[in-house]
Amino acid sequence: NAGVTQTPKFQVLKTGQSMTLQCAQDMNHNSMYWYRQDPGMGLRLIYYSASEGTTDKGEVPNGYNVSRLNKREFSLRLESAAPSQTSVYFCASSERGGDSDPSYEQYFGPGTRLTVT
Amino acid sequence: AQSVTQLGSHVSVSEGALVLLRCNYSSSVPPYLFWYVQYPNQGLQLLLKYTSAATLVKGINGFEAEFKKSETSFHLTKPSAHMSDAAEYFCALRYGGYQKVTFGTGTKLQVIP
Repeated sequence: NAGVTQTPKFQVLKTGQSMTLQCAQDMNHNSMYWYRQDPGMGLRLIYYSASEGTTDKGEVPNGYNVSRLNKREFSLRLESAAPSQTSVYFCASSERGGDSDPSYEQYFGPGTRLTVT
Repeated sequence: AQSVTQLGSHVSVSEGALVLLRCNYSSSVPPYLFWYVQYPNQGLQLLLKYTSAATLVKGINGFEAEFKKSETSFHLTKPSAHMSDAAEYFCALRYGGYQKVTFGTGTKLQVIP
């Protein structure tokens, strides 16, 4: 199993350009998440999807849109990139571990490093 | 509001010394708590998790954490630091019926030979 995969690994954009970050998981998880990581700020939730067909805003959704394409794939789109969106973006997925483990432990992808100039 | 606070953005220990990384949480309902580790240029990997089954939780690579409700703490410890432990560590909390997780700001661990 590949777990959670993300493409691309690196991207440089000019201000105003658009792009889509792709995420896929092969663990049959219902829940998927997009985070951004900035120095000293930990991980902040951008959007999440509790199940196929549903998406909800997280802590920092402005400037982003998401699509839950199917159960496996969850994409993040920047319509008009800004320098403030320079960050490392992580996708994650989770599922209830069963009656004995209701924790919804998250599994992370390797990240996409995005620079907006 | 639910939150986690990690005390100390940088911690340095000598190789072989005790590792103690601090995490305090705020939650009005019983929380699920996690410690994740992030090695340079990689994603996050779960070290251990508290799900109310036991207050002392053992994880991978010799790490453990103890849930103390009276102190609202979930500190991460390892008896003897190894050079390979140098990484950034994140405490995280999930609560109740919500699937969202709140992360602390992280602690970078430096291990000095």
